[in-house]
Amino acid sequence: SQTIHQWPATLVQPVGSPLSLECTVEGTSNPNLYWYRQAAGRGLQLLFYSVGIGQISSEVPQNLSASRPQDRQFILSSKKLLLSDSGFYLCAWSRYDRQGASGYTFGSGTRLTVV
Amino acid sequence: QKEVEQNSGPLSVPEGAIASLNCTYSDRVSQSFFWYRQYSGKSPELIMSIYSNGDKEDGRFTAQLNKASQYVSLLIRDSQPSDSATYLCAVNPTGGYSTLTFGKGTMLLVSP
Repeated sequence: SQTIHQWPATLVQPVGSPLSLECTVEGTSNPNLYWYRQAAGRGLQLLFYSVGIGQISSEVPQNLSASRPQDRQFILSSKKLLLSDSGFYLCAWSRYDRQGASGYTFGSGTRLTVV
Repeated sequence: QKEVEQNSGPLSVPEGAIASLNCTYSDRVSQSFFWYRQYSGKSPELIMSIYSNGDKEDGRFTAQLNKASQYVSLLIRDSQPSDSATYLCAVNPTGGYSTLTFGKGTMLLVSP
């Protein structure tokens, strides 16, 4: 069976510090991978998605970046955090399906507080 | 602009009642539809998917899709306090490489 791991679960970082969040998927190959952010009281905002190694699509211009160094590894980074980067960060995966019929499976999330 | 609209709630129902959650979407060619449940402080969990017009039942949950009206709903029968959560509607506009568009969710409160 497929599992998705995301860490850390919680993180408190000062403004201006770097960020690295990691997500890995087990039990499948060539998954589609996604990073979402959910700010307090707001909906899910798609940040990045990837359909393959080294292929990253950015949905929202900001001070965050993503990388996919391995097939089942997705990393979210920032060089300098802003207060507005606080939120609940969620990694998700899905199978590629030509009909787009596959839903997403989310990791357990990282709650980031920038102070 | 692809949009998925949900009433933010809260929707309050007594235990044992039917909870009805609604969602409308703007992209007429949307192919796949999903309902997620998100408990406070937790990540969303996929509970239902539906691709064709009509009803799809899974236990106490029934998803209903009407593509002509661009409307998808989730019915929860015999609601339990453990069903209290935020329910997110998600739509896949065209399939393939397209990404899901999520609504902001409806909070459901089931009182004992």
